[in-house]
Amino acid sequence: RKEVEQDPGPFNVPEGATVAFNCTYSNSASQSFFWYRQDCRKEPKLLMSVYSSGNEDGRFTAQLNRASQYISLLIRDSKLSDSATYLCVVNNGQNFVFGPGTRLSVLP
Amino acid sequence: ETGVTQTPRHLVMGMTNKKSLKCEQHLGHNAMYWYKQSAKKPLELMFVYNFKEQTENNSVPSRFSPECPNSSHLFLHLHTLQPEDSALYLCASSQDQTGRGNTIYFGEGSWLTVV
Repeated sequence: RKEVEQDPGPFNVPEGATVAFNCTYSNSASQSFFWYRQDCRKEPKLLMSVYSSGNEDGRFTAQLNRASQYISLLIRDSKLSDSATYLCVVNNGQNFVFGPGTRLSVLP
Repeated sequence: ETGVTQTPRHLVMGMTNKKSLKCEQHLGHNAMYWYKQSAKKPLELMFVYNFKEQTENNSVPSRFSPECPNSSHLFLHLHTLQPEDSALYLCASSQDQTGRGNTIYFGEGSWLTVV
């Protein structure tokens, strides 16, 4: 079992839709959690950190459930420009561990 | 704009060539990383340096040789590569390898084609 798991998708949604991604991690010692976005043929870029209390940045909401060891990302009012691969990243106290990514395509 | 700069951005090399990828970070970080990403595949961690000491070598073949002369610079020396080594090579840095509140930042990557 991989340390960080995500549904690879693809998620194909119409513009304006709300879409949610989940990520699970296996190492209970994990301390820090992030969502990154990676566009095709580009480097991953930090989308947002994920805090225990949950946090929001515009149309994006991230939540952390330590008891169940999962992280979620909610995107409201999807835009065409949201099309990308979303990477769940966990720092387990020794290393950053990347999930395989979930691919999102927002369709006109 | 990125605090992590990689050169060259594109490299084509023959299987008998020797070349190097260079990475420089301007963020004052102490940990630097090399990742490999093949077409439509997840990131693969190759090497980690924390305070100039190599702390991870993820079973990488010896034809890839990293060098970290100081906390700001990281090299990946390449020799006798195979066509399957063609990929995007990403350098990254973070404040250090572990610890709460760290974030990892990537360079734009070096596209390598082995012919």
